[in-house]
Amino acid sequence: GQQVMQIPQYQHVQEGEDFTTYCNSSTTLSNIQWYKQRPGGHPVFLIQLVKSGEVKKQKRLTFQFGEAKKNSSLHITATQTTDVGTYFCAGREDSSYKLIFGSGTRLLVRP
Amino acid sequence: DSGVTQTPKHLITATGQRVTLRCSPRSGDLSVYWYQQSLDQGLQFLIQYYNGEERAKGNILERFSAQQFPDLHSELNLSSLELGDSALYFCASSVSSGSPNEQFFGPGTRLTVL
Repeated sequence: GQQVMQIPQYQHVQEGEDFTTYCNSSTTLSNIQWYKQRPGGHPVFLIQLVKSGEVKKQKRLTFQFGEAKKNSSLHITATQTTDVGTYFCAGREDSSYKLIFGSGTRLLVRP
Repeated sequence: DSGVTQTPKHLITATGQRVTLRCSPRSGDLSVYWYQQSLDQGLQFLIQYYNGEERAKGNILERFSAQQFPDLHSELNLSSLELGDSALYFCASSVSSGSPNEQFFGPGTRLTVL
C-alpha cells in the first residue's frame, strides 16, 4: 500500500537558522498537503500542492512538489520560536480517497 | 477554532470496556475522517465517511466501528479496549471527499485505557 515517509524525525535549531523537512511517497501522488501541529494542539492545514514541480511560498515558508509528484519539501527561512511544532505532509493517490500522513518532523527552536 | 467539535475531551476507562467518541463537522462539510495518534506518533487514518456513507477505510481494527448520521455528525465506537488503544483520536472534516480537499481537525479526544 501507499507509504509516505518523512525525514528528519526531529530537528533542533537555533532561532534564526533555516529548517527543511522532506517527504517521500512510495507512489505517485495526485496532491500533497502540509499540516502543522503545535504541542498539545491539533493539526492545522498549511497548504496544498497539486502540480508537478509546483512551488508555493507563505512568508518564510517555501513548499515544493517534486517533478515526479512523489516527493515534497517544506523549508523555513530564519526560524522563530513560533515555528515550534510537528510538521506533517499528507499525500493522496489519484485513485484513492485516503489522505496518508507522513510520520512528521518535530521542530524545536532554541531562542 | 476549526469549527469541528469533538466530545468528550478526555476519557479514562478500563480494559475490556466500550466507548463512543463523537464528532460534529464544520457547518457545510459532508466528509468526516477519523485518525488515531499515539504518543509522539504520526496520524493513522482510520476511516472516512461522506454524506452518511463509508468512503475509505484505513488500518481500523475490527473492534472499532464508526458511522455518520443524517445530521452529518459522526461517532467512533471502540470496544474490547486494550491498553494499546490509549491515544489521541482526531476527527477532521472537509467539504467534499475528493481531491483537492483540505481537512479541518477538531481538538481531539484523549483516550486513556487503564
